[in-house]
Amino acid sequence: DQQVKQNSPSLSVQEGRISILNCDYTNSMFDYFLWYKKYPAEGPTFLISISSIKDKNEDGRFTVFLNKSAKHLSLHIVPSQPGDSAVYFCAAIPMYSGGGADGLTFGKGTHLIIQP
Amino acid sequence: DTAVSQTPKYLVTQMGNDKSIKCEQNLGHDTMYWYKQDSKKFLKIMFSYNNKELIINETVPNRFSPKSPDKAHLNLHINSLELGDSAVYFCASTHMNTEAFFGQGTRLTVV
Repeated sequence: DQQVKQNSPSLSVQEGRISILNCDYTNSMFDYFLWYKKYPAEGPTFLISISSIKDKNEDGRFTVFLNKSAKHLSLHIVPSQPGDSAVYFCAAIPMYSGGGADGLTFGKGTHLIIQP
Repeated sequence: DTAVSQTPKYLVTQMGNDKSIKCEQNLGHDTMYWYKQDSKKFLKIMFSYNNKELIINETVPNRFSPKSPDKAHLNLHINSLELGDSAVYFCASTHMNTEAFFGQGTRLTVV
């Protein structure tokens, strides 16, 4: 049973435009959400996170939005650059719910391709 | 300086062999994990260690055993390797369950 879902296996965006990656979750205990970026043959790299007490977190070109009622979060990258081409994983953890030691639950990933 | 390092990066071995993957973190983190990324690209947690104590143990075969000689190391031992064990294994560490830092991964191929 997938508790974190990324329904788009791949996404192609033109350089300079906005990339929007989506993620849905089912476990109400999740209260901390993270996005990771992964290049081939490398480990996932932390990108940005958001706590359930917020609905938006911004870091440079990256913004994460959280809609708790819909159990949905999204990552916006603007403007998209060629170096952004990678697989993006959404992850969640019940950090404040006392289950933080359970580790991260990951989505299946979305392969973002930035076209010149 | 690599924050989380794991060795080897590639491991090819025959069925039935016993192998180990090493992991070290120099971040002073209190919790270390092993994740498995299977052929379907799912990243799933296998184990976590906090202060030398196994906190969780997902439903992985008991042929897999984590060993932590100290807070900075969490090695993964696998006995009697099977074809289905072929995957990429990632080590990770966190402090107070915040953002996890991952190693580069070990691609294990069992032939």
